This record gives sequence, structure tokens and C-alpha cells, in this order.
Amino acid sequence: GDSVTQMEGPVTLSEEAFLTINCTYTATGYPSLFWYVQYPGEGLQLLLKATKADDKGSNKGFEATYRKETTSFHLEKGSVQVSDSAVYFCAPNTNAGKSTFGDGTTLTVKP
Amino acid sequence: SAVISQKPSRDICQRGTSLTIQCQVDSQVTMMFWYRQQPGQSLTLIATANQGSEATYESGFVIDKFPISRPNLTFSTLTVSNMSPEDSSIYLCSVANWWAQYEQYFGPGTRLTVT
Repeated sequence: GDSVTQMEGPVTLSEEAFLTINCTYTATGYPSLFWYVQYPGEGLQLLLKATKADDKGSNKGFEATYRKETTSFHLEKGSVQVSDSAVYFCAPNTNAGKSTFGDGTTLTVKP
Repeated sequence: SAVISQKPSRDICQRGTSLTIQCQVDSQVTMMFWYRQQPGQSLTLIATANQGSEATYESGFVIDKFPISRPNLTFSTLTVSNMSPEDSSIYLCSVANWWAQYEQYFGPGTRLTVT
């Protein structure tokens, strides 16, 4: 069946550090790929998406590229801020509109 | 995007009782989903709510325990029946549309505690 493997957390970084959160998936066909974020005390929200191979999704300084050959969608940010502290979920849309969610990676950014 | 509201936002219930959670969207949507999320953990899909027909349940979830209604394209309910402490969780409603590649928008969640 479809699955998602997401980088285990928690991840702790200093402000302005470079961030990578790895995500690989297994799915039939060509899923759309999403990253969702859950800030402390808030609901889950879409961070970025990519819908076909080699597409790059970007938002709030975060980027992720749809790599079909490696079935990956790694999340990156060049310089994290304290306000980026949150839980990040990788979620390929794998089956009839449904998304499979990764386990989530908790990011803490220290000043 | 879509704005989603859920009622109630939280509740404390006794075992053996049932709770119905409502999900209201500000626009018509193709798909509505119900998830469960334990604090600090990932989301588990319970079912897809289908307008005008029976919901589609994921493995491990059954209609008798989690009956779902979706009378129109903007509203759905999830009932947690005959509750036990193991049902304590956050229940999330989400929506998606095919023309937006099924990107999902989530409600604020219902925090349920069963005593």
C-alpha cells in the first residue's frame, strides 16, 4: 500500500540555520505532493505543494522539489526563524483524493 | 481556500455515551474527510464523507462506531458512539477539491476526552 517515510524528529536548530526535513513515499501513479504545518496551538494548514515531476513548491521561504526518480519531496529552508517552530507533515495525495500523512517532524528553533 | 468550523471545540464525555461533531464549510467542496489525531502524533484517516451516500471507511473503522452523515456539499457530521477512554483524541474535519489537486483545508478540531 501507499506509505510515507518522514525524517524523525525532534529537530532543534539555532536561528538562521539551514533546514532539511526528508520525505520519501511509495505510491502508484503520480501523486500530488504536499507539506502541511501545525504551529503550536493552531490548526493544520497547507504550507506548499507540487503537482508534477520537477515542480518546486515554495511558501514562506520554504521549498520542496518533486523528485519522481527518487520519490522524494524534501522540505528545505535556508535560514529558519523562531517563528518556524512547528510540526511539519509530508503528505502525498495517493489515492482518490486522499492523502497519506507522515509521522510529522517537530522543529524547534532557538534564538 | 476554504474556511471550516467545527462544533464543539472540545467536550468531556462519559464512557458509553455518544458525541456528534459538526463540520461546516463556507463553500461547496468535492470531498470531506474525518481524521483522528492523538496529541503529538500523526493523523489517522477515519473515513471519507460522501454526499448523498454512505461514507467510505478506512481499515479499522466501522460505521456502527463512527456513523457519518453528509447531507450536502458544505456540511458533515461524525458521531463517536459508545465511547471509551481509548476514543479520547482530537477529531479533525478536512475538505478538498479535485480542481485544486486535492490540497486539504482543516477545521480547528474537536478535542474529546472520555472519562
